[in-house]
Amino acid sequence: ETGVTQSPTHLIKTRGQQVTLRCSSQSGHNTVSWYQQALGQGPQFIFQYYREEENGRGNFPPRFSGLQFPNYSSELNVNALELDDSALYLCASSFSGFSYNEQFFGPGTRLTVL
Amino acid sequence: DQQVKQNSPSLSVQEGRISILNCDYTNSMFDYFLWYKKYPAEGPTFLISISSIKDKNEDGRFTVFLNKSAKHLSLHIVPSQPGDSAVYFCAASGGTSYGKLTFGQGTILTVHP
Repeated sequence: ETGVTQSPTHLIKTRGQQVTLRCSSQSGHNTVSWYQQALGQGPQFIFQYYREEENGRGNFPPRFSGLQFPNYSSELNVNALELDDSALYLCASSFSGFSYNEQFFGPGTRLTVL
Repeated sequence: DQQVKQNSPSLSVQEGRISILNCDYTNSMFDYFLWYKKYPAEGPTFLISISSIKDKNEDGRFTVFLNKSAKHLSLHIVPSQPGDSAVYFCAASGGTSYGKLTFGQGTILTVHP
């Protein structure tokens, strides 16, 4: 059974640029959630995708957008990067977006915005 | 608005003793709670969960207690081992956003040999 994988591991961008982060969900999972973890804080929910549709969104501006593909992998896109976007971005997969299921996390992508 | 709070940034325990990590929440709509452990350079790893219909759930060395009236939960690790040293996060879900996890700030647990 393959776990949740994310790419790239690290990324450095400059303010104003755009970035795309990728996530492959665990085998058998159809739901992907994205979280932002700032230094010294707990992860904050960005949004969730279930069967290719957005299924809930946290308090993040529209320049944070996402996609889920038919194979349930997902992308997180951030436009017009700001310095405060520097964080660890975590992807989590689960079986269903409409029930209480444990979410399984990938190792994260460390984004640094200069 | 911090809906899930872990008020102890760190905890230090001797090997073999009990570790007790605490978590408070304010949103009465939360009805499912989870604990995750995180090592550096890794994603959070699921440890144990509890539904609001229960007040205790055990899994090996890990026990989670839920006090709904106090809006408080705790994770007990007995006996503590050096490999348990990590950051522990509690998370909550419920109401109309059961797919969304709301996390606390984390507690750094250090278990000394």
